[in-house]
Parts: sequence; structure tokens; C-alpha cells
Amino acid sequence: QVQLQESGPGLVKPSGTLSLTCAVSGGSISSSNWWSWVRQPPGKGLEWIGEIYHSGSTNYNPSLKSRVTISVDKSKNQFSLKLSSVTAADTAVYYCARVIIDTVTHGWFDPWGQGTLVTVSS
Amino acid sequence: QSVLTQPPSASGTPGQRVTISCSGSSSNIGSNTVNWYQQLPGTAPKLLIYSNNQRPSGVPDRFSGSKSGTSASLAISGLQSEDEADYYCAAWDDSLNGFWVFGGGTKLTVL
Repeated sequence: QVQLQESGPGLVKPSGTLSLTCAVSGGSISSSNWWSWVRQPPGKGLEWIGEIYHSGSTNYNPSLKSRVTISVDKSKNQFSLKLSSVTAADTAVYYCARVIIDTVTHGWFDPWGQGTLVTVSS
Repeated sequence: QSVLTQPPSASGTPGQRVTISCSGSSSNIGSNTVNWYQQLPGTAPKLLIYSNNQRPSGVPDRFSGSKSGTSASLAISGLQSEDEADYYCAAWDDSLNGFWVFGGGTKLTVL
């Protein structure tokens, strides 16, 4: 079955750029699914960041759109997140997830990666 | 503040039935299906209910979902101690160019 694994620096300096990668195994990133990033600040709820299709089409959370870039690397079967101009408010566990879509709905997130904590601090 | 509204907490005793509500608007729940996720302590969220009322394989039939208008509900019957977790609803929102929205989460305590 499909498994997702996030990787990247656990500490980012304020005003810097957060960069994470999600490796997809057990399936192809070129399948008919979207691939998404979701984050969860410590002790708080889930916030959707954005998603990408293997064609490169993207959708972003309007509240983060100006700072977010999501890209896909089909040769490595992975997709990536870049979040610029970070502050302490961007400290969170970052999850990647597959978005299974069907002909009727916008889909659902399944599975999720285990998540990686990124702390923004000097 | 989350776009979808959930009660911050819920509780029940073993064997009881509990429900968790999720309130939205015409641009999200009113127009699209609702999914529910279970997050056990210290773990990643897991899909619990999709397309309003569908259970993925492996999810016990004690869990059920429903939707009416701009609201949705998750029901858990025969409550068990291992159901103690955070539960989140989610839906696609058609406003702007479209984006996913989550509820703020409900912490379920099994007394």
C-alpha cells in the first residue's frame, strides 16, 4: 500500500524558508490523485496548506498562498513544500497526505505521513 | 478560528453512544461531502469516514457519519477506551479558487 514519509530540517530561522519533501512509496505519484500538505501547530488543530497534481497543477490555502510553493518530482516519486518568510507561528508538525479523488467528490486524505516537527527559532 | 465548527470536547462512558457535530456553510458542507479523521495521541490523523458516511476497510461499524444541509455528525456507538482521541471534520470549500477546510477538532474522553 502507499506510504508517505516527510523529511527536511527540523529547525528554521525566522524570515527563512522552510523546505520539506514527501517521498511516496508503494505507488506512483503520477496516479490519479492529488498530493497535499497539512500542518498542526503544537496543541492545536489541522490546517491545510496546499496540494499538487502530477501535472504540476496546484491549489493553495488562500491565507498562505503568497508564501507557499509546492512542486513535484516525478523521477524521484516525491513532492515538496517551500514556505517562505517563516515566523514562530509557522512552528508545527507538517504532514503530507495523498488526496484520493473520485468523479463525484473532491476526495479525502488517505494515507498520511507520520509527520515532521519544524520549529522556527533563532 | 476554523471555518468548520466543532465542539472542543465530548465525553462518554464505555458502551455509550456519542455524537460529534460539525457545522459549516453553503460553500463547504452545503455543497460538498464531509470526511472525518481520527487522531490518536501522538500519531498522525487517520481517515475514519469519507463521503459523508462511508467507512474505509478496517474501520469498525461502530463509527458512522451523516450530513444534513450545512452540518454533519459523527456517531460512535459502543464506546471503547481506545476511541479516546481527537476527531476532525473536513470538507472542500468552493469559495475563492477552492480549498480544503477543517474543523477545530473535538477531543473525545472515555470516562
